[in-house]
Amino acid sequence: GIQVEQSPPDLILQEGANSTLRCNFSDSVNNLQWFHQNPWGQLINLFYIPSGTKQNGRLSATTVATERYSLLYISSSQTTDSGVYFCAVDPNFGNEKLTFGTGTRLTIIP
Amino acid sequence: DAGVIQSPRHEVTEMGQEVTLRCKPISGHNSLFWYRQTMMRGLELLIYFNNNVPIDDSGMPEDRFSAKMPNASFSTLKIQPSEPRDSAVYFCASSPTGGADGELFFGEGSRLTVL
Repeated sequence: GIQVEQSPPDLILQEGANSTLRCNFSDSVNNLQWFHQNPWGQLINLFYIPSGTKQNGRLSATTVATERYSLLYISSSQTTDSGVYFCAVDPNFGNEKLTFGTGTRLTIIP
Repeated sequence: DAGVIQSPRHEVTEMGQEVTLRCKPISGHNSLFWYRQTMMRGLELLIYFNNNVPIDDSGMPEDRFSAKMPNASFSTLKIQPSEPRDSAVYFCASSPTGGADGELFFGEGSRLTVL
């Protein structure tokens, strides 16, 4: 099946810093989404981005489908950004399953 | 708009008991997914429905697990009998399109502890 690798696995930053999270995938995809799981366990949909670039406030994401990677940018980090960020993909071919990466744990220190 | 609604939010039960988790998807969404999250295995897809029909249940761990979707606004995941290794957070998610190529929205999860 498709492989989804996220890096870095852990990231600790001071409040106000910027960060870039990366998601690499091994096959072409129909769907790519970024989720934030907050410290209370809620999984929040950030971006639906199989290709191109999107922005939402301090967050933006870019997917380069031909090179099989996606980036999530967080600017001016706040403590509420802490949590685990997951990338999930649905491959073009094969079963209709959204496969999740293992996540990047982000900790923002005040 | 109401999101995906799951109940109960927390359940503590004893080994051997039946557990039923419930989910109401977002109105108008065609697909519904049940996921399980544990520290060891991360997020795993258990089963998904398209237009109330189970499409892929290959992720269901064993016969003790069953899921139903009697109508477009309700689904259940049942574990009978429950075992301590079933302890996990169970998420329900829905999507406006069929399959996994649409945008996925998650409920808040049901945290199950089996003693």
